[in-house]
Amino acid sequence: KAGVTQTPRYLIKTRGQQVTLSCSPISGHRSVSWYQQTPGQGLQFLFEYFSETQRNKGNFPGRFSGRQFSNSRSEMNVSTLELGDSALYLCASSLGGQGHYGYTFGSGTRLTVV
Amino acid sequence: DAKTTQPNSMESNEEEPVHLPCNHSTISGTDYIHWYRQLPSQGPEYVIHGLTSNVNNRMASLAIAEDRKSSTLILHRATLRDAAVYYCIPTGANSKLTFGKGITLSVRP
Repeated sequence: KAGVTQTPRYLIKTRGQQVTLSCSPISGHRSVSWYQQTPGQGLQFLFEYFSETQRNKGNFPGRFSGRQFSNSRSEMNVSTLELGDSALYLCASSLGGQGHYGYTFGSGTRLTVV
Repeated sequence: DAKTTQPNSMESNEEEPVHLPCNHSTISGTDYIHWYRQLPSQGPEYVIHGLTSNVNNRMASLAIAEDRKSSTLILHRATLRDAAVYYCIPTGANSKLTFGKGITLSVRP
């Protein structure tokens, strides 16, 4: 079966711009989480969506937002980009989340802010 | 979030079993113990998870201590492709995976 698909794979943006990243979860998975990975901070949790509702949120500024659609696909948006937002953004999907089920990660979107 | 303690690194020989330990003494009673691994330039990969009983799947086995304050990931026959950073992560109702530094596993041919 198809895995978690993230698009685009690579993105270069300028400071001050905004960006939208997309994640298609495994069919039947209703929980989608987003993570940011940087060499300095490692993997950090951004937020989790389940049935179109944000269920949990990490410690990131309000410039980071997301949403989930009725087909469980999710988008993440970062507004007013800063150089420090350069990172690998990973999406993970799960049947139901909350620890009961494993999470499958996508290959990520590599965002570079110049 | 439960705090985890793992060795920084471990080495193994190819085709030998590997036991990767993890201490999670502050784990909540309802947290599941998840293990993930990450190869360079790739996203994390799910390995196994469990609550109280030992678990087996095609990749590995998970042995959970009776008091749930520690667990061990067992790779029965290490291959070169198993060289990765392994993360032990207690997780529960908040659906949040908190990745620590993990164990870097090296496999010698």
